[in-house]
Amino acid sequence: GAVVSQHPSRVICKSGTSVKIECRSLDFQATTMFWYRQFPKQSLMLMATSNEGSKATYEQGVEKDKFLINHASLTLSTLTVTSAHPEDSSFYICSARGGTGVTNEKLFFGSGTQLSVL
Amino acid sequence: AQKITQTQPGMFVQEKEAVTLDCTYDTSDQSYGLFWYKQPSSGEMIFLIYQGSYDEQNATEGRYSLNFQKARKSANLVISASQLGDSAMYFCAMREGRGGNTPLVFGKGTRLSVIA
Repeated sequence: GAVVSQHPSRVICKSGTSVKIECRSLDFQATTMFWYRQFPKQSLMLMATSNEGSKATYEQGVEKDKFLINHASLTLSTLTVTSAHPEDSSFYICSARGGTGVTNEKLFFGSGTQLSVL
Repeated sequence: AQKITQTQPGMFVQEKEAVTLDCTYDTSDQSYGLFWYKQPSSGEMIFLIYQGSYDEQNATEGRYSLNFQKARKSANLVISASQLGDSAMYFCAMREGRGGNTPLVFGKGTRLSVIA
C-alpha cells in the first residue's frame, strides 16, 4: 500500500528557533497533502491543505506566517514552525491521498512528529 | 455544529468479546465518505475501514465492520473478537463531497481498553 514518510519523529528545540518537518509520499504522487495538529488526548485538527506548486490553504486561526508550508514537488511537503514557542508543542502529522478507485478515498498518514519547545 | 460526534470518551471490553464504537455525523452533502482510524500510543494513524455514502452494503474488513445507518447518520464501528492489541484510540472521520482536495474531519475519539 501507499506509504507516507514523516521526519523527524521527535524534536526538542529551544524557544525562538525554527523547526522543519518533512512529509514524503514514497510510492505515489500526492498533489495534495494535509497537515494536522494533535494536542494531548485530543483529536486531530486540520491546520492546512498543501497543494503542489501553489500556496497552501490554511484553516481559520492558523497563522500562515508561523506555520510555513512548502509543497515544491509531487512527493514532498514541508511544514516549518518558525520562532517556535512552548505553546507550539504538539504532535504534528501529515497525510496524503494516493492511489485510484477505493484506495483513493483513503488518507495515508505519516508517523507524526512530536514537537517539544522548551 | 460538530461534523463528527463520538459520544464515548472511553470503553472497556473483555478480550474475545465484540464491541461497538459509536459515531454520528452531520452533513448536507449527498456524496461523502466515512472512515475509522486506530491510533495506538505510538501516534501513527492506522486506517481500518471505509464506507461511501452510496455504498448499499456495510463495509467489512476482517474483524472490523461498519454499521452504516444512513437515515440516522450513524457509522458505528464493530470490532469482533477483541484482542489485547486493539487497545488504542479510535477516531471516526468524514470526507465531504468528492475530490482529492477534501480533508478528513475527525471526531474526538474513543479510547478502547481491552481487558484480559
